[in-house]
Amino acid sequence: SQQGEEDPQALSIQEGENATMNCSYKTSINNLQWYRQNSGRGLVHLILIRSNEREKHSGRLRVTLDTSKKSSSLLITASRAADTASYFCATGTASKLTFGTGTRLQVTL
Amino acid sequence: IAGITQAPTSQILAAGRRMTLRCTQDMRHNAMYWYRQDLGLGLRLIHYSNTAGTTGKGEVPDGYSVSRANTDDFPLTLASAVPSQTSVYFCASSTGPGISGYNEQFFGPGTRLTVL
Repeated sequence: SQQGEEDPQALSIQEGENATMNCSYKTSINNLQWYRQNSGRGLVHLILIRSNEREKHSGRLRVTLDTSKKSSSLLITASRAADTASYFCATGTASKLTFGTGTRLQVTL
Repeated sequence: IAGITQAPTSQILAAGRRMTLRCTQDMRHNAMYWYRQDLGLGLRLIHYSNTAGTTGKGEVPDGYSVSRANTDDFPLTLASAVPSQTSVYFCASSTGPGISGYNEQFFGPGTRLTVL
C-alpha cells in the first residue's frame, strides 16, 4: 500500500523553467526521501529530509516538508532536458520505506 | 564493481518454469530488498533481509522466495512462474539498522521479466 501520493502524475515543462512536484502522506514519518528514475533504470536517491526539518537544498533541488499538513514538495530549478525522468517520494518510518507511484517529468527543449 | 548488479537484464519465461533473479552488492550493506514495479502501482516490497542469514516477507511475498547466505548476494526465486509475475524487479540495499526507513536505499538496474 502506498503511503505517499505524488501530484501531479505527469508534468511537461520547457527547459529553463522550474518544476514542482508534491507528495502527500497519511501517517507519521521519520523522514521523507525523493528518488529519480530514468527510463529503463533503477531509482537514484536525491535527497532525504527528516521530520524535524522544514527545508533542504541540494544543487538545483529544493525540498520542503510540512508535517502538520503531511506533505512535501520537490522543486527543480532551471530544469534541463536531462531532468526528464520519473520522481518518487518515499516515506521512512522505523519499520520500512514506502514509495509513492511517482510523477513523470518531461522537459522539452 | 561498485554498487548493485542484477542478472539477467531481461528474461522471457514460460508459465510454470522456475526462475532465479540474481542480485549482488559490493557496499557491505546489511539490509537488502526485492521490489517489483508495475505501472500505476509504484514499487512494492516483495522480500527483505536485515542481515546475512535472515529474511522477511514484504507486501507481496506470495510466489517468491529469497535466501541470504552471505552479505553480498540476495537471489529471488520464482518457484513456478505465473503471468501476473510479469514485472520489472529491482534489488536494493541500505546501511543498517535492519530495514528501517531511516536511510537511503541504493538500487540495481532492474530485471525485466515477462511470463507467458
